[in-house]
Amino acid sequence: DTGVSQDPRHKITKRGQNVTFRCDPISEHNRLYWYRQTLGQGPEFLTYFQNEAQLEKSRLLSDRFSAERPKGSFSTLEIQRTEQGDSAMYLCASSLGRRGNEQFFGPGTRLTVL
Amino acid sequence: QQQVKQSPQSLIVQKGGISIINCAYENTAFDYFPWYQQFPGKGPALLIAIRPDVSEKKEGRFTISFNKSAKQFSLHIMDSQPGDSATYFCAASSKTSYDKVIFGPGTSLSVIP
Repeated sequence: DTGVSQDPRHKITKRGQNVTFRCDPISEHNRLYWYRQTLGQGPEFLTYFQNEAQLEKSRLLSDRFSAERPKGSFSTLEIQRTEQGDSAMYLCASSLGRRGNEQFFGPGTRLTVL
Repeated sequence: QQQVKQSPQSLIVQKGGISIINCAYENTAFDYFPWYQQFPGKGPALLIAIRPDVSEKKEGRFTISFNKSAKQFSLHIMDSQPGDSATYFCAASSKTSYDKVIFGPGTSLSVIP
């Protein structure tokens, strides 16, 4: 499968625990985005990487959230001290960054905070 | 502040009919307008996209109409099929904002036999 993959697909955790999600973009894509989608809503932008550099972070990304993309390959999104309001689908997308701009989305990680 | 507005919230169309979803935007810096289709439990998938230098784009049964002066665009699905039942998101992005996609709130489409 040459698409964007995300792991795990589902995560159930208790309030206050830390969680980490992984995204593997399409191999030649230098741009990587994280979005969050709550039930019945459109995805909302969280953060953007060009290669290994994190170039933009949404104000939705509180200081409990951190994202990395070491060596410009896979990316991780960590949420510390989870809260019930963090329950959502976390989506990763990647693109080539050329005109055309198509972002390919992964299947998402569904987080449930109890 | 919702930068991309979308209506209707839900839509029921009979098989073979035309599904129409309307969107409006405010930010004139947007230079790319994609439509995404999402099935339950899946990530959004690009359906069709348009740039503001054209007024219409057609791909198969899907057509985008774009009105730059009104800052509105719409998706028409011709000959709607039950397999088209999904949530549709209009969206917009700008190269001046790293092409991050700003999504509308979505339209849940049900095509009934």
